[in-house]
Amino acid sequence: ETGVTQTPRHLVMGMTNKKSLKCEQHLGHNAMYWYKQSAKKPLELMFVYSLEERVENNSVPSRFSPECPNSSHLFLHLHTLQPEDSALYLCASSLLQGANYGYTFGSGTRLTVV
Amino acid sequence: GQSLEQPSEVTAVEGAIVQINCTYQTSGFYGLSWYQQHDGGAPTFLSYNALDGLEETGRFSSFLSRSDSYGYLLLQELQMKDSASYFCAVSRAGNTPLVFGKGTRLSVIA
Repeated sequence: ETGVTQTPRHLVMGMTNKKSLKCEQHLGHNAMYWYKQSAKKPLELMFVYSLEERVENNSVPSRFSPECPNSSHLFLHLHTLQPEDSALYLCASSLLQGANYGYTFGSGTRLTVV
Repeated sequence: GQSLEQPSEVTAVEGAIVQINCTYQTSGFYGLSWYQQHDGGAPTFLSYNALDGLEETGRFSSFLSRSDSYGYLLLQELQMKDSASYFCAVSRAGNTPLVFGKGTRLSVIA
């Protein structure tokens, strides 16, 4: 365990379903991130929360909706996804959002959209 | 924009030394990080260079040349468990998130 826990580990959903991914950390970190990892592509930043405020949204389609109720929890709500959204979704946290703070990643949720 | 280039695959023999290169183009460069990810696992932080030169942590070392926009990760005394993907990532000034490369898949063979 890295200290960042993601659930579920695997998720299969239909294009009309609504589901949520959960991320939890108790490291005392104040910044949390959602990344999408697809084969042979760089990790794509989706959302950044710093001190529970969304500070960056990287042109992500509205079918992905993040929520950060407190500094320990981060959610990614999914609805009407497309097959190309199938990927590994990684959550990460860092002490602060800054250049020299290492990220701690969770093991990810493997999402398959059918 | 930013871009990072690293080889997609590298194969090396157990006990040998391997170097994984990373070149980057970005404005406001602050530092270069390396992460390791085993299949099915979480990326884990390995090293961070903000200044030119070599940083050594056990069998792993990381090097940065800011003037050449270049860095590398050096793995010595390779072990089978080192088979994984290795990502370089650029930090930029101004509290911006890390930007990652596509990763290098290292296969260690007997």
